[in-house]
Order: sequence, then structure tokens, then C-alpha cells
Amino acid sequence: ETGVTQTPRHLVMGMTNKKSLKCEQHLGHNAMYWYKQSAKKPLELMFVYNFKEQTENNSVPSRFSPECPNSSHLFLHLHTLQPEDSALYLCASRISGGGDTGELFFGEGSRLTVL
Amino acid sequence: SQKIEQNSEALNIQEGKTATLTCNYTNYSPAYLQWYRQDPGRGPVFLLLIRENEKEKRKERLKVTFDTTLKQSLFHITASQPADSATYLCALGSSASKIIFGSGTRLSIRP
Repeated sequence: ETGVTQTPRHLVMGMTNKKSLKCEQHLGHNAMYWYKQSAKKPLELMFVYNFKEQTENNSVPSRFSPECPNSSHLFLHLHTLQPEDSALYLCASRISGGGDTGELFFGEGSRLTVL
Repeated sequence: SQKIEQNSEALNIQEGKTATLTCNYTNYSPAYLQWYRQDPGRGPVFLLLIRENEKEKRKERLKVTFDTTLKQSLFHITASQPADSATYLCALGSSASKIIFGSGTRLSIRP
């Protein structure tokens, strides 16, 4: 148990559906991340939020829409996805700022399958 | 473009031996480097961090080296055990936010 909770753990959706992934942390961290992990590929950084402000968008297609209403919660809204978007989506949090080398605390991931 | 290579996709060694994993990077000047462990179906778990001005770090049976001239980090597990079998990821950080990962090395320790 890392203190970062992701729901749902598994999601199957059609290409025309709209769904959301949720991430929650109560570790007092101020930065939250979305990564995508596909088979045999490195973790791909998608989005970073620091103090609820988006500080990184790694050229992610607009069919992925993040939302960070507060420092404890992060969402990834999904719409009109493609089969190649099927992957494990990992949320992570850390303490950011002040000589910043803080480790990432990851959730267990949401396994997404797009049909 | 920035690139991180963990040059062995898989590594198999005998229990009790030292496992050595390699992480190389190009077009990047990291302020620090981290190593994570990932078990199947789980999120990565942080193991060790080493800063750009440090040469070596140790934690129990783990040792990490960092050579910014060679742009390389070595990760060692001494007296390896079957429970050490997992995928090990290296990650580089430079800015306050951005942390990028290699594709990992799947380590198997046979009894």
C-alpha cells in the first residue's frame, strides 16, 4: 500500500465511450502525475500537476483530458479512444520543490482495454 | 531527443550471485537518477536515488553508481535471492517535475 489509490483497476470501453480514471493520494504531496505503460515500452510521461497547475503535457492527444481539482485528486477523462490506447495507466505523486529529488509514489494502475 | 536505455531486456542469474543492471542515457543532463522495482500487475516502487554530484550510493544489498561523463548508472544487487526477481526501472530527473523512465530490465534469480 503506497498511499496512492487508483480506480477502477480494470476498464473495458468501446471507442465511442466516455469514461474517467481516478487517482487519490493522502500523503500530503503537491505534485501528481499520469504515466502510460504499454508492453515492452518505457513508462511514458503524460501529464504533471504541481499545486493543481498543469506543468507538463507531453504532447498527449486531446482524447485524454486531465483534471486536478485539488492536490489530493487527479482524474484522466477518456473519450473516443483508439485500440492502441489500451495500456496500464499509472498515477503517481511526490513532494515537489526545494531541491527536489523526491521519489514517486505510484498507484497500482488502471488497466484499460479499448475495443 | 532524450533517450534512456536499459540495455538488457532480461537478465537471468544464479541465486547468491551479484546482479548488475545498466542504464545509459543520451541528450540529457539529469540532476538525479532513481531506480524502481516493478512486480507484475503492480506499480513501480522506489528503491534508491543518486544525485549528479554523487558517485555511489548503498542501501542494504543494493548499490548504485552514477557516472555523468559516461552517462551511465549501474545498479547492483549482491547476494541475490529469488525474491529479487522483478523488473527494475531507471528514471532520470532534471527539472522540478519531469521524470522519465527507461523500459526496464526483467531480472530472474534462479535457485
